[in-house]
Amino acid sequence: DAGVTQSPTHLIKTRGQQVTLRCSPKSGHDTVSWYQQALGQGPQFIFQYYEEEERQRGNFPDRFSGHQFPNYSSELNVNALLLGDSALYLCASSLIGEQFFGPGTRLTVL
Amino acid sequence: AQSVAQPEDQVNVAEGNPLTVKCTYSVSGNPYLFWYVQYPNRGLQFLLKYITGDNLVKGSYGFEAEFNKSQTSFHLKKPSALVSDSALYFCAVRDMRNAGNMLTFGGGTRLMVKP
Repeated sequence: DAGVTQSPTHLIKTRGQQVTLRCSPKSGHDTVSWYQQALGQGPQFIFQYYEEEERQRGNFPDRFSGHQFPNYSSELNVNALLLGDSALYLCASSLIGEQFFGPGTRLTVL
Repeated sequence: AQSVAQPEDQVNVAEGNPLTVKCTYSVSGNPYLFWYVQYPNRGLQFLLKYITGDNLVKGSYGFEAEFNKSQTSFHLKKPSALVSDSALYFCAVRDMRNAGNMLTFGGGTRLMVKP
């Protein structure tokens, strides 16, 4: 079992650009959540996808959007990047109970 | 609204000594509580959880946590610290009434275990 995988590992973008991050859940998991972890802080919930729909959303602007595919994998899209979007983006999958996290994608916005 | 507080940015302990990492929480309903650990340049690794039942929860790598409803606390403990336990520890809470399983995390506590 490969666990939760994310791609890419690192990404460098400039302000105003758009970015897409990808996540494959742990085998058998149908729910994917995305978190943003700024340097020196705890993860903050962005949104959660279940059955290809956004089930829950945190306090993030509409620039942050997502998608879940029939195979339960997910994408996080961020438009009009700001310097403050620089962070580690974590994907977590779950079936019931605890969430299992991937290694994250480190996004740097210059 | 739900929230988590980890009052200590860093905890220092000597190898072989007991350790405690503190966590307090706030939720409207009954809580699900979790501890995760993060090593450098890695994602979060699940340690243990409290759902219901016994207030003392045992988890991975010899860690345990005690749920105290009256004090709204869920402190992480280990009887004998190892240098390899040095990492960043996060407490998280989920409201049982929440249909989704959104987690709210504390700011993290860096544990330093010295030889």
